[in-house]
Amino acid sequence: GQQVMQIPQYQHVQEGEDFTTYCNSSTTLSNIQWYKQRPGGHPVFLIQLVKSGEVKKQKRLTFQFGEAKKNSSLHITATQTTDVGTYFCAVDFGNEKLTFGTGTRLTIIP
Amino acid sequence: SQTIHQWPATLVQPVGSPLSLECTVEGTSNPNLYWYRQAAGRGLQLLFYSVGIGQISSEVPQNLSASRPQDRQFILSSKKLLLSDSGFYLCAWSDLASEQYFGPGTRLTVT
Repeated sequence: GQQVMQIPQYQHVQEGEDFTTYCNSSTTLSNIQWYKQRPGGHPVFLIQLVKSGEVKKQKRLTFQFGEAKKNSSLHITATQTTDVGTYFCAVDFGNEKLTFGTGTRLTIIP
Repeated sequence: SQTIHQWPATLVQPVGSPLSLECTVEGTSNPNLYWYRQAAGRGLQLLFYSVGIGQISSEVPQNLSASRPQDRQFILSSKKLLLSDSGFYLCAWSDLASEQYFGPGTRLTVT
């Protein structure tokens, strides 16, 4: 079936350092979404990217969609303890459901 | 605004017992509804989804079943729980925009 690969699986950073997670697909994507799940919580929708080369920002978070629409990244600048959690990408392959990446678990070292 | 409810929040059940988890959505009509399971520290496994009343698609063969008796009600059931059914069960809804909104989840422990 259609898959989306997400790396890294885990990331430990010192507070104040930057963090990036990547999603890659072998096929061209119509869109990609990003979600955040805090420890013990449920996934929360962050953003959707649709256009080739699109870049969107939410405060310290920068989301990019590749020019070929086969990859995407989420970058956090100057991480804070509130950024702790697991970040998932998700793709709508047009079949009424989302395919989620495996997630990147971010832990912050104070 | 839309709201999604799930209950119970936590559940401890013995092996072989039945299961019924309920999810309801408010503030929208004819949503797509989804059941996911998440093992500890793992990703999201889609179990079932529904695009309308009585319409259920199963993603993974297992001893679970789902039903959608009303437009905004989605139920996950099992006749006999297995130890491997333990996990965090999440219900989600979406409309034509495709992003999904998750409920608070039910943490199930089968003992």
